[in-house]
Amino acid sequence: DVKVTQSSRYLVKRTGEKVFLECVQDMDHENMFWYRQDPGLGLRLIYFSYDVKMKEKGDIPEGYSVSREKKERFSLILESASTNQTSMYLCASSSSGGGNYGYTFGSGTRLTVV
Amino acid sequence: GNSVTQMEGPVTLSEEAFLTINCTYTATGYPSLFWYVQYPGEGLQLLLKATKADDKGSNKGFEATYRKETTSFHLEKGSVQVSDSAVYFCALRPNFNKFYFGSGTKLNVKP
Repeated sequence: DVKVTQSSRYLVKRTGEKVFLECVQDMDHENMFWYRQDPGLGLRLIYFSYDVKMKEKGDIPEGYSVSREKKERFSLILESASTNQTSMYLCASSSSGGGNYGYTFGSGTRLTVV
Repeated sequence: GNSVTQMEGPVTLSEEAFLTINCTYTATGYPSLFWYVQYPGEGLQLLLKATKADDKGSNKGFEATYRKETTSFHLEKGSVQVSDSAVYFCALRPNFNKFYFGSGTKLNVKP
């Protein structure tokens, strides 16, 4: 069964810490995405990547960075965590074969910054 | 530009009731359309999709028809179950890689 795996389901970090959220996919997908999900705001795209070492800003990149050193792994980095980054973080991947392909999502990481 | 508008929730229904969740979109080009479902504490799962006008996507008793003339992709189910309680997201994917999601509609089904 194809999978997108996020390293942690729940995470609690302190304000100012550097936080790494890891995502790994086993489908050889070219595209990977990081979203955050907040009540009433739906899914908001933080960053995405179409290829190894390639990244593009989404709608809300401030306070975040990403790394994609290998095709299967896409990391989201909170350089200095703040309480307003408390959220559910969802990773997704997709094939780049045109518009017919859906995303495959991970189970999410619920991050709490205290 | 590209955007998706969903009806606001929550939607509360009794078991075996008929479900409609409205979704309309604006898009450049000819997008594919999707419905995703998110059960409590989980990530999103693909429920169904349609890739061109007049296509009907279906899965697990849910259906949605791609209506280009009304730019709509409404989700329907004839008889909901308690296990269908979840948040439903409508999404579109234009002819490149990025998805656009609606804000989600929470469905509560009571026994």
